[in-house]
Amino acid sequence: NAGVTQTPKFQVLKTGQSMTLQCAQDMNHEYMSWYRQDPGMGLRLIHYSVGAGITDQGEVPNGYNVSRSTTEDFPLRLLSAAPSQTSVYFCASSSGSSGANVLTFGAGSRLTVL
Amino acid sequence: DAKTTQPPSMDCAEGRAANLPCNHSTISGNEYVYWYRQIHSQGPQYIIHGLKNNETNEMASLIITEDRKSSTLILPHATLRDTAVYYCIVRAGSGAGSYQLTFGKGTKLSVIP
Repeated sequence: NAGVTQTPKFQVLKTGQSMTLQCAQDMNHEYMSWYRQDPGMGLRLIHYSVGAGITDQGEVPNGYNVSRSTTEDFPLRLLSAAPSQTSVYFCASSSGSSGANVLTFGAGSRLTVL
Repeated sequence: DAKTTQPPSMDCAEGRAANLPCNHSTISGNEYVYWYRQIHSQGPQYIIHGLKNNETNEMASLIITEDRKSSTLILPHATLRDTAVYYCIVRAGSGAGSYQLTFGKGTKLSVIP
């Protein structure tokens, strides 16, 4: 199993550009989520999904859009990139959303917005 | 979710046991204690979790006090590859609070040769 796969690993954008960070998992996990990590900080939840067709906002959702059309994929869209969105983004998944289900993280996507 | 308190940094000699403390004095009955670590800017790696009982796996042991207000992660024989930031996280067992992990600043563990 590949686990949680994120692409791209690195991306540089100009202010105002749009892009999509891809996240795919091959573990048939119901729950998927996106976090961002700023320098010297812990991770903060952006959006999450408890199953295909169901998404909800986390702690810092502004400027991001998500959808979940399949169990495997959970893309994160930046509609109009801003320098404040320069960060490392992590996708994570688990078999369920309860506290007993271990969250598995991807390797991260490093985004720089100029 | 209950908050956690961890020392900002610790050192450990290579080959010795690393004991990382965590205080979670406001933890409630259905909240789990999780430990993750992050090496450089890689994705957080799951280590261990527990609810009430002590737990052990191939990576570490988790000791939770009887009143559940604190816990200790034990890496039995630390190696240089264990140098990382270690996060202690309290996570609700169910409901909206279970949907996310709340990461603090963690403990920077340095394993010294």
